[in-house]
Amino acid sequence: GAGVSQSPRYKVAKRGQDVALRCDPISGHVSLFWYQQALGQGPEFLTYFQNEAQLDKSGLPSDRFFAERPEGSVSTLKIQRTQQEDSAVYLCASSLGAGDGYTFGSGTRLTVV
Amino acid sequence: AQTVTQSQPEMSVQEAETVTLSCTYDTSENNYYLFWYKQPPSRQMILVIRQEAYKQQNATENRFSVNFQKAAKSFSLKISDSQLGDTAMYFCAFMTETSGSRLTFGEGTQLTVNP
Repeated sequence: GAGVSQSPRYKVAKRGQDVALRCDPISGHVSLFWYQQALGQGPEFLTYFQNEAQLDKSGLPSDRFFAERPEGSVSTLKIQRTQQEDSAVYLCASSLGAGDGYTFGSGTRLTVV
Repeated sequence: AQTVTQSQPEMSVQEAETVTLSCTYDTSENNYYLFWYKQPPSRQMILVIRQEAYKQQNATENRFSVNFQKAAKSFSLKISDSQLGDTAMYFCAFMTETSGSRLTFGEGTQLTVNP
């Protein structure tokens, strides 16, 4: 597609529910990134894929967070047993390679109630 | 640790005037990339300008230019002839060669352009 597409745009989850957030990167972009952006703050790195390989997951805040990109294109960020502190905007970005500016999606705003 | 500091949480400017947003960063590495991103209410982060640290010449993109001072670890963004559409949150970010393409962002500066 022309841009990075994320869905859903908004998600409200009850505490304890599992959620899955989808990212469809720009076709041909090898690198894919997930960031978490709390209200009023800058994005914080979560994880990075190069094709289907998850090369860095050091930013995932707990083992309740899991990301996958099985065929090297679409990626899913899953959060199990959501907590209130998980409320944030989750941004996905893709790029052709290191040093290139990312192209970001519009994010998913997750609210845990 | 690698950090980015934006010391101006909010700024405002009159339409058609010039404004400068400041950014400082800290890294022990010599090779890195610096970026300014714009985030309007739509939430999509839009790349405004990028600078390679090994280049001494300051990057320019139309009305946007940077003042890159490597020794001072400073990377400010100048917006000339400000337009109402420039109203947004602006984030400074950098990426090092060893960070695995990870971007480190500052806290952001909310810029408002007034008519």
